[in-house]
Amino acid sequence: SYVLTQPPSVSVAPGEAATISCGGNNIGTKSVHWYQQKPGQAPVLVISYDSDRPSGIPERFSGSNSGNTATLTLSRVEAGDEADYYCQVWDSGGDHPGVFGGGTKLTVL
Amino acid sequence: QVKMVESGGGLVKPGGSLRLSCVVSGITFSDHYMNWIRQAPGKGLEWVSHIGAVGSMIKYADSVKGRFIISRDNSKNSLYLQMNSLRADDTAVYYCAAAEYGSGSLDYWGQGTMVTVSS
Repeated sequence: SYVLTQPPSVSVAPGEAATISCGGNNIGTKSVHWYQQKPGQAPVLVISYDSDRPSGIPERFSGSNSGNTATLTLSRVEAGDEADYYCQVWDSGGDHPGVFGGGTKLTVL
Repeated sequence: QVKMVESGGGLVKPGGSLRLSCVVSGITFSDHYMNWIRQAPGKGLEWVSHIGAVGSMIKYADSVKGRFIISRDNSKNSLYLQMNSLRADDTAVYYCAAAEYGSGSLDYWGQGTMVTVSS
């Protein structure tokens, strides 16, 4: 089955940029979606199809995908961005197509 | 405004059954693939199952295959998950989520319902 690998944690100072990676075999050939989850809340879609921002998501959120790594970038990080972030793809060739990365805890110092 | 409300969670003994429901409003339910995703306490997200817009294209995670059954009633804007032979490792918050396409992003999520499997 397809595996997505994320770093368990990323720390960044307010105002700096944060990058969260999502590794997978030839992930650049798949569409990657990113979700933000704050404690006690349901996940929220923040980036779809590698780099599209849904309505209401700040421009500070951006995404890219190439080769074996997809990346979520948060520029000018704010305290309110502290959350868990998950990447997700569909492995259409498999019997259980939905795949999530293990999640990355973003800490704002 | 999109609203997705799960219900049916609770405490059940190992080997028991539960049926989860998710009622959806604010979107054209019959145009969306529907998914169940779960999150064990302190753990990450795990995709459980999805069902196509008209009730076909059903898939399950290996961890629930043969025990869980996903279904939908488009006339009631409702999604279901029949969970049988429950085990302790099924303990989790269960979320329903809607995608416009089978391989699309999970655009809308419910707030989740807690399932606890314990003797």
